[in-house]
Amino acid sequence: GAVVSQHPSRVICKSGTSVKIECRSLDFQATTMFWYRQFPKQSLMLMATSNEGSKATYEQGVEKDKFLINHASLTLSTLTVTSAHPEDSSFYICSASPGESGYTFGSGTRLTVV
Amino acid sequence: GQQVMQIPQYQHVQEGEDFTTYCNSSTTLSNIQWYKQRPGGHPVFLIQLVKSGEVKKQKRLTFQFGEAKKNSSLHITATQTTDVGTYFCAGRKYNFNKFYFGSGTKLNVKP
Repeated sequence: GAVVSQHPSRVICKSGTSVKIECRSLDFQATTMFWYRQFPKQSLMLMATSNEGSKATYEQGVEKDKFLINHASLTLSTLTVTSAHPEDSSFYICSASPGESGYTFGSGTRLTVV
Repeated sequence: GQQVMQIPQYQHVQEGEDFTTYCNSSTTLSNIQWYKQRPGGHPVFLIQLVKSGEVKKQKRLTFQFGEAKKNSSLHITATQTTDVGTYFCAGRKYNFNKFYFGSGTKLNVKP
């Protein structure tokens, strides 16, 4: 089946630094990938839609300059959390669809900003 | 804000009892998907419903899409401890290429 690989699975960084999270579709091409954020015991909140070769589309209330998205190839999208603060600590997860059916999710990245 | 509402938030059942979670949208949906997330894991796709009034079954799981395509339900018959996890619905509106997740229902099954 379709596999989406996400790295790193866990990262701890200091306040003010930037962190890059990678999302790869391993056995299919994805012109579109989605980035979600999940707070403890809460639902997945869509942050942005990553579009291959063009700018990402951000949901209302998500800072574009804070969460930089790059989708340079059909199999890779990256999310960079810039100038991270403790309130950015969360579980970030990406997803992509190999076709018309459900979306496959990456395993997620647990970000802790200290 | 939340575009898809899901209830209940939590459900504790005895093994063997049935379980149902409901999703509601204020707008008509193009399709709806259901996911299961185990504790510490990531969401895993279960099923997609597209047609009005559609009913699909997967062993002990029954999925329904309302006639108006604004609500959906997931029913588990005779729960087992392996059913433990959080069940999310995700709805997509027409002409939008993205899904919005419901708040999820956390199911706990007591052996």
